[in-house]
Amino acid sequence: QGQLVESGGGVVQPGRSLRLSCAASGFSFRNYGMNWVRQAPGKGLEWVSFIYYDGRSKYYGDSVKGRFTISRDNVRDTLFLQMDSLRFEDTGVYYCARGTEVLDSWGQGTLVIVS
Amino acid sequence: SSELTQPPSVSVSPGQAARITCSGDALPVRYVHWYQQKSGQAPVVVIYEDNKRPSGIPERFSGSSSGTMATLTITGAQVEDEGDYYCYSADSSGGPKVFGEGTKLTVL
Repeated sequence: QGQLVESGGGVVQPGRSLRLSCAASGFSFRNYGMNWVRQAPGKGLEWVSFIYYDGRSKYYGDSVKGRFTISRDNVRDTLFLQMDSLRFEDTGVYYCARGTEVLDSWGQGTLVIVS
Repeated sequence: SSELTQPPSVSVSPGQAARITCSGDALPVRYVHWYQQKSGQAPVVVIYEDNKRPSGIPERFSGSSSGTMATLTITGAQVEDEGDYYCYSADSSGGPKVFGEGTKLTVL
């Protein structure tokens, strides 16, 4: 089934940057599209970004377009999310999730607090 | 991207059927997937591609989709089924993706 472990969360001031990582293991990472999904405290799930298996196509939610950048390293089996110009409303738990259609495997999330 | 609309809450007694709906303009051309999230945990897929059940998910979970409406049905809901349920689909262009607002299921 595979394992996903997020890291890089923390407390950051508005306007600053943060880079999240998601280390994959137990499956062939290079064959899967990958996503970032976030959840603000007490709120629902929000899809953030998707990258195809080969990294050549990327999509973003409207609330992060132009500020966040998704990327991947298929040699190191790692997914990244570069978050710039952070806002208070970016606060939440950020999950990485495997899949192009159905998201069939999720990490436990990393907490980002913009304050 | 298209929006998905869910009822905020559904409440049933143990053993009753729980039905959670999800409506969206793009659903006629895209699959719907359903996720269960319990407090403090990552989401888990309970139904994928409208009506398929992953291994390990109890048979009481089923899904259907017709036109702009998809439905998750839990036949004989149990107390352990309590949690938040989200539908999920991709935009009709196949690119950007969207979650429904979530439905809190109470079984008591």
